[in-house]
Amino acid sequence: GAVVSQHPSRVICKSGTSVKIECRSLDFQATTMFWYRQFPKQSLMLMATSNEGSKATYEQGVEKDKFLINHASLTLSTLTVTSAHPEDSSFYICSAPDRGGLGAEAFFGQGTRLTVV
Amino acid sequence: AQSVTQLGSHVSVSEGALVLLRCNYSSSVPPYLFWYVQYPNQGLQLLLKYTTGATLVKGINGFEAEFKKSETSFHLTKPSAHMSDAAEYFCAVRRSGGSNYKLTFGKGTLLTVNP
Repeated sequence: GAVVSQHPSRVICKSGTSVKIECRSLDFQATTMFWYRQFPKQSLMLMATSNEGSKATYEQGVEKDKFLINHASLTLSTLTVTSAHPEDSSFYICSAPDRGGLGAEAFFGQGTRLTVV
Repeated sequence: AQSVTQLGSHVSVSEGALVLLRCNYSSSVPPYLFWYVQYPNQGLQLLLKYTTGATLVKGINGFEAEFKKSETSFHLTKPSAHMSDAAEYFCAVRRSGGSNYKLTFGKGTLLTVNP
């Protein structure tokens, strides 16, 4: 089946620095990718929709200047958390729909555990 | 607008017992329905999905779910729980057809399996 690879799986950074998370579709082209944030013991909250070749669409309440999304190619989307603060610590997950089939399912990356100290 | 309600944030069963995780949805158009499983510090893995056709769908690891339009439900079941089934389970819905691939998730149900 389709695979989405997310890297890194864990990252610890100092407050004020920036962190980049990569999401790659390994065996299919993803014109759209979704970025989610998950707080402990909670559901996934959609942050933004990444579109290849155009600007990302952010959900209400998500700071676009803080969470920079770039979808440079059909297989790579990146999320950069700029000037990270401890409250940005969370589990971030990307997903990409495989549009080849009916009811195209979303394939998820392994997630990135970000800890800001 | 779409929404998903998972009844019970935590379900505990004994090994070998029936697993029943409840999911009800609200959608103005026929939906596609999904169940995902998440193990600690990992992404989500698709268990099964309903798009069209047979309303009883079978998934991986012995799980199945039945789409009941009249009840707007898509409950997940497994006849006999295994220790390895302990995980978080998410029900999700998206609009059928079109190019909107956004998923709306329920809040999740944590399944614990007791020996």
